[in-house]
Amino acid sequence: GESVGLHLPTLSVQEGDNSIINCAYSNSASDYFIWYKQESGKGPQFIIDIRSNMDKRQGQRVTVLLNKTVKHLSLQIAATQPGDSAVYFCAENIGTNAGKSTFGDGTTLTVKP
Amino acid sequence: DAGVTQSPTHLIKTRGQQVTLRCSPKSGHDTVSWYQQALGQGPQFIFQYYEEEERQRGNFPDRFSGHQFPNYSSELNVNALLLGDSALYLCASSLKWEETQYFGPGTRLLVL
Repeated sequence: GESVGLHLPTLSVQEGDNSIINCAYSNSASDYFIWYKQESGKGPQFIIDIRSNMDKRQGQRVTVLLNKTVKHLSLQIAATQPGDSAVYFCAENIGTNAGKSTFGDGTTLTVKP
Repeated sequence: DAGVTQSPTHLIKTRGQQVTLRCSPKSGHDTVSWYQQALGQGPQFIFQYYEEEERQRGNFPDRFSGHQFPNYSSELNVNALLLGDSALYLCASSLKWEETQYFGPGTRLLVL
């Protein structure tokens, strides 16, 4: 249930497995990145962010990795649960203005019980 | 503590009409951003309001305009609606522009 490096529009994993969602960003000047989760009928929800002076940041069950050389971002979800099923978006920003985010293509994560 | 609220939840208009969407930010927030999300795509930034002024704007035509009121609530206006304006319109608020933004549930606009 993992994908490394390649952005996939959909990802299906078994409950309890780890998930990796990838994102390629477009602007080499971007220096602030955010992952959002969007459930059906709701607006995006902040998960975790990372600034360009870091290459890894951990939250609760989630880790974001940033590779500026290849302009790649990934979100790792440990012990994926059915409640993690949603569309996940990465967003890039220049500066700290999260309100002017450029969103990438989403990945639909489906967790099978 | 209420989160970001938007009204209406759904709206149907015809081509050429005008529409106004409303957003109330999360309590304590003073910055509002608007996004358009077409079906199956990520949100696209329209503009951002802070201190009742448009501070940032994305690549949207002048048909899209907005306003922010002294209580920090905001409106998005779209004139001369096109079929391609059919989308989910999201409002997000934050404390100034440097903090985490919180999204509302959106207004689903259908243009026939």
